[in-house]
Amino acid sequence: GIQVEQSPPDLILQEGANSTLRCNFSDSVNNLQWFHQNPWGQLINLFYIPSGTKQNGRLSATTVATERYSLLYISSSQTTDSGVYFCAVNNQGGKLIFGQGTELSVKP
Amino acid sequence: EAGVAQSPRYKIIEKRQSVAFWCNPISGHATLYWYQQILGQGPKLLIQFQNNGVVDDSQLPKDRFSAERLKGVDSTLKIQPAKLEDSAVYLCASSLATQWGTEAFFGQGTRLTVV
Repeated sequence: GIQVEQSPPDLILQEGANSTLRCNFSDSVNNLQWFHQNPWGQLINLFYIPSGTKQNGRLSATTVATERYSLLYISSSQTTDSGVYFCAVNNQGGKLIFGQGTELSVKP
Repeated sequence: EAGVAQSPRYKIIEKRQSVAFWCNPISGHATLYWYQQILGQGPKLLIQFQNNGVVDDSQLPKDRFSAERLKGVDSTLKIQPAKLEDSAVYLCASSLATQWGTEAFFGQGTRLTVV
């Protein structure tokens, strides 16, 4: 089945710094989503981005489907950005497959 | 628009007991997923429904886990009997359709502790 790898596994930032999270996938996909898991465990939708670039405030994402990767950019990080960021993809079967996540900690 | 609703939020049971979780998806969403998330890992798909039919249950431990989606709306996931390793967060998600991979939305999850 399709494999999803995220890097780095952990990231510690000072408040105000920028960061880039990466998601690699092993096969063509119909859909790619980025989620933020808050401290209470809920998965918050950040981007639905099977291809191209999207921006939402301080966050933006780019997916290059032909090269099988996606990037999530966080600019001017805040302590509230802390948590785990997941990338998930699905292919023709519709099964949504998650990576192992990047745990981000933003220090004041 | 109401999101995906799950209950209960928390549950503590002893091993060998049974437990059930409930999920109400977003109105009109044909696809419903149940995921298991063990601490420190990414969510793992247990079962996927399209309306009231099962699309994928290859990762569901069928000797102890069961799920149903009667009438293609609400769904129930049951564990009987529970084991210590079933301690996890159980997440329900829904999306409009399966074939083209539309955006999925998640509920708040049920945190299960088996002691």
